[in-house]
Amino acid sequence: SQQGEEDPQALSIQEGENATMNCSYKTSINNLQWYRQNSGRGLVHLILIRSNEREKHSGRLRVTLDTSKKSSSLLITASRAADTASYFCATDHLGSGGSNYKLTFGKGTLLTVNP
Amino acid sequence: DTAVSQTPKYLVTQMGNDKSIKCEQNLGHDTMYWYKQDSKKFLKIMFSYNNKELIINETVPNRFSPKSPDKAHLNLHINSLELGDSAVYFCASSWGQGAVYEQYFGPGTRLTVT
Repeated sequence: SQQGEEDPQALSIQEGENATMNCSYKTSINNLQWYRQNSGRGLVHLILIRSNEREKHSGRLRVTLDTSKKSSSLLITASRAADTASYFCATDHLGSGGSNYKLTFGKGTLLTVNP
Repeated sequence: DTAVSQTPKYLVTQMGNDKSIKCEQNLGHDTMYWYKQDSKKFLKIMFSYNNKELIINETVPNRFSPKSPDKAHLNLHINSLELGDSAVYFCASSWGQGAVYEQYFGPGTRLTVT
């Protein structure tokens, strides 16, 4: 399948610690996005990284992309209880029609930040 | 103001029934989507519309029929509901189609088929 795979499936840390989540994918991409989903809510976009970029920062978030290894990582520094959520990576792939791109999501990493 | 809204939030119905979920976005986006998230949180695209035109249809059963009366609305009608249709359905929108655009998601509609 073309979907991304997040690793680990679940991560539990203490407030103040850093959290690192990884995403691997199978086919070449143009863009990769990370999303957050709080329990019972819709997904919220966090950051987009293009295939010609290696690293991006946004506040406490740092995303890296290694296209040679077909992998990305999301680092959340100085985590807070409010960061507790599921985190998904999404990569672009051609839809079944062959002419339009779609986002393909991984199964997510459930992050729990304990106060 | 809610950017992407869906109604209803919860839908409980029996097998064989027909139901609809409505979605509206007030962001002025050209592209809208329907996703299905199963009990294991796997999120999969079903349909995508760009300016009221269907551009992505991902091997979804014919019982599912999307309709976009205008570019701010994308509704999903489901005929002859089956147990396996139970899931959370998310509507989303973006400025354009393709993964260079961030997607804005609605709050989801939890469909339970009994």
